[in-house]
Amino acid sequence: GENVEQHPSTLSVQEGDSAVIKCTYSDSASNYFPWYKQELGKRPQLIIDIRSNVGEKKDQRIAVTLNKTAKHFSLHITETQPEDSAVYFCAAKDGADGLTFGKGTHLIIQP
Amino acid sequence: GAVVSQHPSWVICKSGTSVKIECRSLDFQATTMFWYRQFPKQSLMLMATSNEGSKATYEQGVEKDKFLINHASLTLSTLTVTSAHPEDSSFYICSARELTEQFFGPGTRLTVL
Repeated sequence: GENVEQHPSTLSVQEGDSAVIKCTYSDSASNYFPWYKQELGKRPQLIIDIRSNVGEKKDQRIAVTLNKTAKHFSLHITETQPEDSAVYFCAAKDGADGLTFGKGTHLIIQP
Repeated sequence: GAVVSQHPSWVICKSGTSVKIECRSLDFQATTMFWYRQFPKQSLMLMATSNEGSKATYEQGVEKDKFLINHASLTLSTLTVTSAHPEDSSFYICSARELTEQFFGPGTRLTVL
């Protein structure tokens, strides 16, 4: 089955700086790569996703890049703000399968 | 986006009892729903895929006789934790698929004493 590795596990950045979280996946058949933000005790919220026919996608301060050859994808957050502090999960899926999640990155925005 | 609800939001039960958790898609029909478990400070782990009108597909290591899943309609899937034990205490989250996107329920926190 699919295996998703996520790094780093904790990331602390100064407010206003950029944050980058990286994930790799093992199943070349995976074709959908969402990123979720989860606040303590709450459900994961989809913040951005990318499909295998696209190399990059941007939504305001958030962008995701995908390298199918290397089987890795990254989340980029620019101009970070205190409300960006949360745990971020990457995931991968193939067709009708459920999502396989990375272990998560605790993003801390320092004021 | 689509709305998924879960009930109850939290439950405390005694060891050995069974607990049922409901997952509903409120404004769309979901032929496929997923059940995840999340232990404190850990990631979400897929437990099983629930398909309307057919048997659920369980992930490796998940006991199908312990975690009973029923997907009797296009808007409702239930997870029953049978003979619950303290090690089953966790945050259980369902998701429902609409087209290619998954929408998560708010989760159910189960505490087994």
